[in-house]
Parts: sequence; structure tokens; C-alpha cells
Amino acid sequence: DQQVKQNSPSLSVQEGRISILNCDYTNSMFDYFLWYKKYPAEGPTFLISISSIKDKNEDGRFTVFLNKSAKHLSLHIVPSQPGDSAVYFCAASGSGNTGKLIFGQGTTLQVKP
Amino acid sequence: DGGITQSPKYLFRKEGQNVTLSCEQNLNHDAMYWYRQDPGQGLRLIYYSQIVNDFQKGDIAEGYSVSREKKESFPLTVTSAQKNPTAFYLCASSGVQGSPLHFGNGTRLTVT
Repeated sequence: DQQVKQNSPSLSVQEGRISILNCDYTNSMFDYFLWYKKYPAEGPTFLISISSIKDKNEDGRFTVFLNKSAKHLSLHIVPSQPGDSAVYFCAASGSGNTGKLIFGQGTTLQVKP
Repeated sequence: DGGITQSPKYLFRKEGQNVTLSCEQNLNHDAMYWYRQDPGQGLRLIYYSQIVNDFQKGDIAEGYSVSREKKESFPLTVTSAQKNPTAFYLCASSGVQGSPLHFGNGTRLTVT
């Protein structure tokens, strides 16, 4: 049973436009959500996070939105750049241990110049 | 330069052999984790350790073992009991509670 789902395996956008990556979860006990970015043959790097007490968190070009009633979060990248091309994973934690994460399957983002 | 070092980057083994993956960190983090990634899937937690000489099973611990004798080191042994050992293995660490995970660059293990 997949508790965190990223239903779009891939996304392609034009440079300068907005990229929107989506993530759904089923466990209402999750209270902390993160996005990681991963290049091939490298480990994921932390991008941005949001606590369940908030509905939006912004960091430069990256904004994460959380809709608890819909159990849905999204990552917005504006403007998208070719260097943003990578696999993006959303992850959730509910155990109080933010290292014990449940990851989605990942979405491969391609930003075309 | 602080970070997490996983070695080797690529590892090949014959079926039936145990193999140990190395993970070293110089970030002075208390907690360390092992995740596994398979194609088309997210990362899944194998084992984690929040303090030296203590560790807990994650979601897919069967066929794996770990030790945490030093703060800096958290080696993972993939035993012959692991039915599907071929995967990309990622080690991570975290500092204070609530801080995000730092990942190493992974070890790709191929068992034939």
C-alpha cells in the first residue's frame, strides 16, 4: 500500500515557465513533508519542507503548498531552469523522526531550453 | 568539507555471498539511515540508528544487518538471505531532530 504517491512519472516544461509537481498521501498522521531533488548516480538533496501546521512554504524559486483536507501537496518552481532537470521525490514523516521518511516514486522533470 | 562517503560506488557480487557497504560521515550527526532505491520506486528505509550502539529495523530490514560501533560509521551488510539484493543503496544522516536528511552518493550493488 503506497502511502505517498507521485502519479506523474515525468513532466516536461519550457525554460522560464512554471513547473508543478504533485504528490498525494493517504496517512493523515503525517505531519512533516519534504521535497528532495536527485540527479542520476547521486544521492538526493533536500530542497524544501513544510510542516502540517502550515499550508505554504517558500524558498526562492521553490514553493510548496499543502492541502491537508485533500491530502495533497505540490511543488512549484518558478521560473524553471534547465538545471532543475532532475528526479523530484516527495517524502512524508509522521513518527516524530524526520529521518524515517516515506517516499513517493519520484517525478522526472525535464526543463527544455 | 563535511559530508557522507559511501564506498564503493559500484559493487558486483555473486549470488549467495554476503557483502558489506560502507558509510562514513564527518558531519557529527547522531542519526544515520540506510535506504534502498529500485527503478520506478521511491526510497525505502532498511535500518536506522539514532545513537551509537543502537539501531532499529526500517520497513524492509529482512536480509540485511547493520552495526553502529562508532558515531561516524554505519555499515550495511547485504546477506545471502536478501532475495532481491540488486539495487541502489543510499546512506543518510541527520543532526538535530527536525533537520532534513543528508544523503551520500550511493552504492549500486549488482548481484548475479
